[in-house]
Order: sequence, then structure tokens, then C-alpha cells
Amino acid sequence: NAGVMQNPRHLVRRRGQEARLRCSPMKGHSHVYWYRQLPEEGLKFMVYLQKENIIDESGMPKERFSAEFPKEGPSILRIQQVVRGDSAAYFCASSPRESANYGYTFGSGTRLTVV
Amino acid sequence: AQSVTQLDSQVPVFEEAPVELRCNYSSSVSVYLFWYVQYPNQGLQLLLKYLSGSTLVESINGFEAEFNKSQTSFHLRKPSVHISDTAEYFCALTSSSASKIIFGSGTRLSIRP
Repeated sequence: NAGVMQNPRHLVRRRGQEARLRCSPMKGHSHVYWYRQLPEEGLKFMVYLQKENIIDESGMPKERFSAEFPKEGPSILRIQQVVRGDSAAYFCASSPRESANYGYTFGSGTRLTVV
Repeated sequence: AQSVTQLDSQVPVFEEAPVELRCNYSSSVSVYLFWYVQYPNQGLQLLLKYLSGSTLVESINGFEAEFNKSQTSFHLRKPSVHISDTAEYFCALTSSSASKIIFGSGTRLSIRP
């Protein structure tokens, strides 16, 4: 039973390029959460999605960032026109139900470096 | 608004010594509390959680945490640490009406031989 799969593990982009981060939730999980971990900081919530729906995007920057979780395929976090400040570890988590009180299962993260 | 405060960003201890990682929270509603552990270059793993019932919860590797409602705390303890416990530890909370888990800023536990 595979866990939450994130790819790529490491991603290097030049300023102005686009970054696409993928997340496949655990089998049977239909709720996906994206978090960002900046150097020396904790995890900051970005967005919560269910299949084909964005439920809570209160943590997403207003520009350049978008997320989707299509009916088929992985969830995608997309960052357009990346800047150095976007360098961080991006973690995806999934859960089998809407209530978060059972905790999440996290992926190993994608470490984005903008040069 | 809900929040989690981890008072210590780093805690150095000697091997086999006891350790306490502090966590305080703020919430106007009942909470569910978690401790997650992050080993270097890895994702987060759930260490233990408090949902209801007994205020003392334990993990399989010797950690325990106690929910203290009056002090709004959920400190993590281990009576004797091992080198393999070197990691970053995150306290987190959610509630029945919340759609997400909120994390503290983390405490880096470093073990000296």
C-alpha cells in the first residue's frame, strides 16, 4: 500500500520559469493538502482540495500559485514565474475523510530551488 | 483564530538524558492535538495524537505527551533519548469544525553522545 507519492523530490528552476509539483494521495484518500516549509520555519498551510474542488485556499499567495486535483491523476501545485523566495520544501498530505482529526499522511516533499 | 506555539526552536541534550519539548496552543473550541516528527530530508510522520479520553498519550518509541486543558499545553517528553531521536518535532492542532491542521514552528532536537 503505497503512501503519499510526491515528485519530483528535487526541482531546480531559473527565475521566471514555471514549477509543477505532483502529489498522488494514498489509495482511498480523496482529500489533499499542500503545505510549504521555508528554511528554518514551520509548515504553512497553502490549500486543501478534494477531487475537482478547491475547499480552502486561504494560504495560497494571491498571484502565481494555483492548485488542482482532477478527477483522474495526481494533484498539481503550479507556481508560475518563480522567484528566489519560492525556494522551499513543498509537502503534500492526504486523508481519507473531511475531518482532519485523524491526522494526515505526508509525502516526502518536493524541494524547490530557484536559481 | 487557532495557533500553536513551540517555545524552543532548538533543544540539545545528551544521549540517555530526559527531554521535554514544549507546546502551547490557543483555541476557542475543543481541539485535537498532534506531534509529528521529521527526520532529515524526509516528510512528516505522525508520532502521537490526542483526540479524547485519557490525557496521556504514548508513541511506540517511548515518547509521551500530556494534554493539559487548563494550561493549554501538550508537551512532549521522553525519559531517555537515543541518537536516533535526532529530528525536528512539530506540534499541531485541529478541531472538529476546521478543514486543516495548523502546525507550530518546530523544535529541533539534537542529541549529543
